[in-house]
Amino acid sequence: AQRVTQPEKLLSVFKGAPVELKCNYSYSGSPELFWYVQYSRQRLQLLLRHISRESIKGFTADLNKGETSFHLKKPFAQEEDSAMYYCALSGTGFQKLVFGTGTRLLVSP
Amino acid sequence: DVKVTQSSRYLVKRTGEKVFLECVQDMDHENMFWYRQDPGLGLRLIYFSYDVKMKEKGDIPEGYSVSREKKERFSLILESASTNQTSMYLCASSLHRGNTEAFFGQGTRLTVV
Repeated sequence: AQRVTQPEKLLSVFKGAPVELKCNYSYSGSPELFWYVQYSRQRLQLLLRHISRESIKGFTADLNKGETSFHLKKPFAQEEDSAMYYCALSGTGFQKLVFGTGTRLLVSP
Repeated sequence: DVKVTQSSRYLVKRTGEKVFLECVQDMDHENMFWYRQDPGLGLRLIYFSYDVKMKEKGDIPEGYSVSREKKERFSLILESASTNQTSMYLCASSLHRGNTEAFFGQGTRLTVV
């Protein structure tokens, strides 16, 4: 079974502070992992995916298969990063896309 | 630019009514999904489809059905709406088998009274 766990409902930091949003997953095969973001009054959109190994808006995420984690990190948070962040997983081949419960990031000035 | 359009932003329906939520995508995507989004519960998959007339149950299919008669359109049906189906419903699509980057619609907020 595919499962994604985001332990924090809310993460509140000050501008310029480092940010780490946690994501752990459960899947027996090789997963494809994503971070999606939803800004206020906007639709959900892809932030990054592990296979592209990109840095988007200063965010990075590394897949750690040993710890089954895919934490999202940014060294210096900005106020415009305030949003709802969802970690998502899909298995090999065609599999359903499963999301975690989400973490609300609030960056204060 | 991929566009996923849901027919309504807000709907109010009565308990027991049959409700249709429509979703259309314009990029010839094979996969389409219906989720409901609830505070503290995240996105939960109701149904998905990887081809015309094909459908698969997600994690919470009870009380829902779907229809995909054309590639671009995926409908979610609430056979007999109940108050616990009050929620935000999100439709998504993705290109093809194995490529699961999903593009989302703007959501339909359904209230069942």
